[in-house]
Amino acid sequence: QSALTQPRSVSGSPGQSVTISCSGTSSDVGNYEYVSWFQHYPGKAPKVIIYDVSERPSGVPDRFSGSKSGNTASLTISGLQAEDEADYYCCSYAGRYSWMFGGGTKLTVL
Amino acid sequence: EVQLVESGGGLVQPGGSLRLSCAASGFTFSSYYMHWVRQGPGKGLVWVSRINNDGSSTSYADSVKGRFTISRDNAKNTLYLQMNSLGAEDTAVYYCGRQRSSGSSLFDYWGQGILVTVSS
Repeated sequence: QSALTQPRSVSGSPGQSVTISCSGTSSDVGNYEYVSWFQHYPGKAPKVIIYDVSERPSGVPDRFSGSKSGNTASLTISGLQAEDEADYYCCSYAGRYSWMFGGGTKLTVL
Repeated sequence: EVQLVESGGGLVQPGGSLRLSCAASGFTFSSYYMHWVRQGPGKGLVWVSRINNDGSSTSYADSVKGRFTISRDNAKNTLYLQMNSLGAEDTAVYYCGRQRSSGSSLFDYWGQGILVTVSS
C-alpha cells in the first residue's frame, strides 16, 4: 500500500488557478470513481472539498473542481484566495474495503 | 450538529497498548461507516482502518494489520481503536471520520484529532 503521488508543493498568486495532480494505479484511482480531496490546516480536522472525483459538498465554493483521467486525478482551484493556503490531500478507494491517501501538497498563495 | 470527539490518546512506551475512543453525536451513528486516519509528525494523512455500520466488517492498512482493532458500540454511539504492540512509527494525531454512504467517497465529518506519542 504505497501512497498516491502528489507534488509536494504548488503556488500561485491571488486570482490565478492552480492544479494539483494525484497519480495512482489501475488498482485504485484508475479503477474506481471514488476519489476525494481534502483541505487540511495543521491542527484542524480535515475538510472534504471534492468527493466521487468531481462532486462538491454543499458549502464548498465552485472555485474548487475535480477530475480524473486514467490513473491520475486532479484538483483545480481557480480564483485563488489567501485563505486557500493549506495542505491538500487526495484519497482513493483501493479495493477490498481499503483506502489510500496521497502524500499531500502544500499550496502557497504568493 | 454532527460532532465527533476523540479521546484516549497520550504517551505510551514502545510495545505498549492504548485504546482510542470517538464519541459521536448529532446523527444516527449506527447508520454510518466509520474510519480512523492518522498523521505522523511532519507527515501526511494515512488511512488506518474502517468499520461498517453494524461492525460486522472491518479493514486495515497493512502497517497496522494484526496490531490494531477497530470496533464500535452503536448503543453508546462510540467508535474505538485498540492499538497494541505500539512502535515509534505509530506516533501521530489520530482522527475519526464518518463516511456518508458505502457507495461514496464522501467523508463528511471528522474529529479534531487526538495525539498518540510512543516513546520511552
